[in-house]
Amino acid sequence: GQNIDQPTEMTATEGAIVQINCTYQTSGFNGLFWYQQHAGEAPTFLSYNVLDGLEEKGRFSSFLSRSKGYSYLLLKELQMKDSASYLCAAYEDSNYQLIWGAGTKLIIKP
Amino acid sequence: SAVISQKPSRDICQRGTSLTIQCQVDSQVTMMFWYRQQPGQSLTLIATANQGSEATYESGFVIDKFPISRPNLTFSTLTVSNMSPEDSSIYLCSARTSRGTGELFFGEGSRLTVL
Repeated sequence: GQNIDQPTEMTATEGAIVQINCTYQTSGFNGLFWYQQHAGEAPTFLSYNVLDGLEEKGRFSSFLSRSKGYSYLLLKELQMKDSASYLCAAYEDSNYQLIWGAGTKLIIKP
Repeated sequence: SAVISQKPSRDICQRGTSLTIQCQVDSQVTMMFWYRQQPGQSLTLIATANQGSEATYESGFVIDKFPISRPNLTFSTLTVSNMSPEDSSIYLCSARTSRGTGELFFGEGSRLTVL
């Protein structure tokens, strides 16, 4: 079946590092998206991993292991504005659909 | 990239009425989708809007309740019919520029409250 799991909520301190994990089980897996969603706003694209390994974009990095069905989003030098929900989504190329996780609410404390 | 405009951004509706949400993309896109996001929850795909033909609905969603149009490559509408309070949600239009690994872009969302 299809399933995506990520923690419901995480708390971190301003200036610190946090890792948000995502595990998935899908058929026809093509890649893994991460989106950021602030309360009351639409999701915005952060990253898309197709190949195994780590991809870095400034303070944000995303990792994928296709053999383990596992991804994580790493946020460094946390800022208060990083408080948001982070959604992972697996892309199925069999039907061009995204399978969405429930999202991880990240709370940043001073 | 693609910029997606949605309207209305929010509305308060009476039970039993219908509301149409419009979605305009600033460039030609291959695929357009309509999502629903209920408070505190993740995204649920309602349907894929197909140009010039009937939309493809996901399980639990039907055309009578959520009629969708897509007359061309850059425009789509979603109607929420015969609304009830359970339809109170954010409705999001999204699009991707290719069938491949293209990023999914989102509109700002339409927040509907049904009284």
